[in-house]
Amino acid sequence: AQSVTQLDSQVPVFEEAPVELRCNYSSSVSVYLFWYVQYPNQGLQLLLKYLSGSTLVESINGFEAEFNKSQTSFHLRKPSVHISDTAEYFCAVTKITGNQFYFGTGTSLTVIP
Amino acid sequence: GAGVSQSPRYKVAKRGQDVALRCDPISGHVSLFWYQQALGQGPEFLTYFQNEAQLDKSGLPSDRFFAERPEGSVSTLKIQRTQQEDSAVYLCASSSRGAGSPEYGYTFGSGTRLTVV
Repeated sequence: AQSVTQLDSQVPVFEEAPVELRCNYSSSVSVYLFWYVQYPNQGLQLLLKYLSGSTLVESINGFEAEFNKSQTSFHLRKPSVHISDTAEYFCAVTKITGNQFYFGTGTSLTVIP
Repeated sequence: GAGVSQSPRYKVAKRGQDVALRCDPISGHVSLFWYQQALGQGPEFLTYFQNEAQLDKSGLPSDRFFAERPEGSVSTLKIQRTQQEDSAVYLCASSSRGAGSPEYGYTFGSGTRLTVV
């Protein structure tokens, strides 16, 4: 079975400061890794994903995540956050031949002016 | 449509009532998923359709939960004799890809928030 752990339920950070949201996963088979973002009263939006190849993946709005197989981690980082980054962030995994996502419990990122 | 549409946006039900939640996926999307997101938790898989066929219903928590997609487009999640533990946001997602193609990701709707009182 697959599982995802997001240890930080809430992360407050000042505007323009760097941030890291941690994600660790457990799986006995190969997986794909994803980060989704959920803004208030909206659905989940795909932020970025790791499928294969380069272990560092980037989103269009400055976030990046690095797949670390030995540490079974997929931490999300941004060097300088904006107020508009305030949202709930979910890490998820899926088997490469699977259909369902296994989500972590989410990390609430609050950017403080 | 442009996105996945869910209705109603909010639903309050008295314990014991039956409810029906609707999902309109993106036009032409083959795959449709239902997830349940309890307060403070991540979404959890309920069921999966490919066109009109329900290929996986392993996540449905009890036989009070029933989902259908009779014409391969709109889907309805029905909960009979609602209980307080059913209170959650129910998310629908769709994908243009068929089974076994999670790498393309899914488009999620905004969800229906069900509160059972």
